[in-house]
Amino acid sequence: DGGITQSPKYLFRKEGQNVTLSCEQNLNHDAMYWYRQDPGQGLRLIYYSQIVNDFQKGDIAEGYSVSREKKESFPLTVTSAQKNPTAFYLCASSIGSRSNSPLHFGNGTRLTVT
Amino acid sequence: GENVEQHPSTLSVQEGDSAVIKCTYSDSASNYFPWYKQELGKRPQLIIDIRSNVGEKKDQRIAVTLNKTAKHFSLHITETQPEDSAVYFCAASNGDDKIIFGKGTRLHILP
Repeated sequence: DGGITQSPKYLFRKEGQNVTLSCEQNLNHDAMYWYRQDPGQGLRLIYYSQIVNDFQKGDIAEGYSVSREKKESFPLTVTSAQKNPTAFYLCASSIGSRSNSPLHFGNGTRLTVT
Repeated sequence: GENVEQHPSTLSVQEGDSAVIKCTYSDSASNYFPWYKQELGKRPQLIIDIRSNVGEKKDQRIAVTLNKTAKHFSLHITETQPEDSAVYFCAASNGDDKIIFGKGTRLHILP
C-alpha cells in the first residue's frame, strides 16, 4: 500500500531541545516538502527537496533543518532556535522534480513544545 | 515571489446550495492551480486542479475556473452536501520550484 508515513502522530518536547520528525514515502516520488500548518495561516513551506542530496529553503526555514540522503526519506529537525515550534507539521511528496504535480500528504505530526 | 490570496476565510451555505471560493495570484508565470480539501483531523487531499492552458475544468459537482488575465481562479461546488464541510485550500505554482498555498476557507454546510 503506497503512501507517505509521518511519525510520530503526537510529539511533546521541552523548550530548548531539538526534535526530529520522520517522513518516509514509498511512492518513488522525486520531490518532497515540509509544510507547517497554524490556525488561520494555511500551509507554509519550510523546506523542499527536488532530488536526493539537495534541498532548498522555503518561506519559513529559520530554526529548521532537513536532510535528503535517500529518495524515500526527508526528516525535519526543529531546533531550539525556532521561536514558536508548536504546530502541526505536514510532509508531502510529488512525482517528478517540478512543482506542477499534485502533492500527496502524510497524516501529519502535531508537535507541542512547553 | 508568488503570493496567493484566498476569500472568504469562512463560508456557510445551506445544504443543496452552491459554494464559491475565490483565489488570486501574483506571479504571471504560474501555470498550475490545484485545490485541496482538508477534513477535520485529516490530511489535505487534492480534489481538482487546472493548468493554464484551459479556462475551466469540471468533475461531477466540483468545477474550477481560471482567468489568466485577471490572475484569479475559483472553486465552485454545486448541490452541496454535509460531507463537503471541510477546509479548502487553493494553491499556485510556476512549475519551477514550489507550490504556494492560500490561507484556506472553512466551509460549513448547514442542514
